[in-house]
Amino acid sequence: KAGVTQTPRYLIKTRGQQVTLSCSPISGHRSVSWYQQTPGQGLQFLFEYFSETQRNKGNFPGRFSGRQFSNSRSEMNVSTLELGDSALYLCASSLVGQGRSLGAFFGQGTRLTVV
Amino acid sequence: GQQVMQIPQYQHVQEGEDFTTYCNSSTTLSNIQWYKQRPGGHPVFLIQLVKSGEVKKQKRLTFQFGEAKKNSSLHITATQTTDVGTYFCAGPNYGQNFVFGPGTRLSVLP
Repeated sequence: KAGVTQTPRYLIKTRGQQVTLSCSPISGHRSVSWYQQTPGQGLQFLFEYFSETQRNKGNFPGRFSGRQFSNSRSEMNVSTLELGDSALYLCASSLVGQGRSLGAFFGQGTRLTVV
Repeated sequence: GQQVMQIPQYQHVQEGEDFTTYCNSSTTLSNIQWYKQRPGGHPVFLIQLVKSGEVKKQKRLTFQFGEAKKNSSLHITATQTTDVGTYFCAGPNYGQNFVFGPGTRLSVLP
């Protein structure tokens, strides 16, 4: 099975611009979560989608949004970029069983640099 | 909100020495997961523990879930340079998303 695929791998944007990141989960995984990873804050949860519905959202401003398509692929969007948004953005897909995640499988991430 | 803490933050060991990282939650967890992230890489799922007092082994790695389901540990026996990386524990938070601990960064000196 192919793993989680994130595109692009690297991105450089200017303050004020917006960006869209893409994630293709492992086939059969319907849960997709997004995380922001920075050296100072560690892994911070952004949001989680399941069957095209956002089920959970972390403590991030409304500039961060996402969606999931019927094929489980997901996108996240960040508008009006700030320097502090520079980070590694990780997508993880999960199988859900017995009412819980059975383990998150991460993509290689998108390294976003805001200048 | 739920908090997941890990100690130590960093650990430097000589190759062949043992290593242990501890994870503590502010609330009781239904389950706990462990991940490893190599330098420059992405987190890789290692294991999930569900039962109180559960102990699971993967070769030189031993994972434990506390009786009260509020703490967990990962022990590596006879570390190797391939064990280098950051080890994260993660506990569920209001549904399917997980709260990750800050991680323990392991360095192994040859």
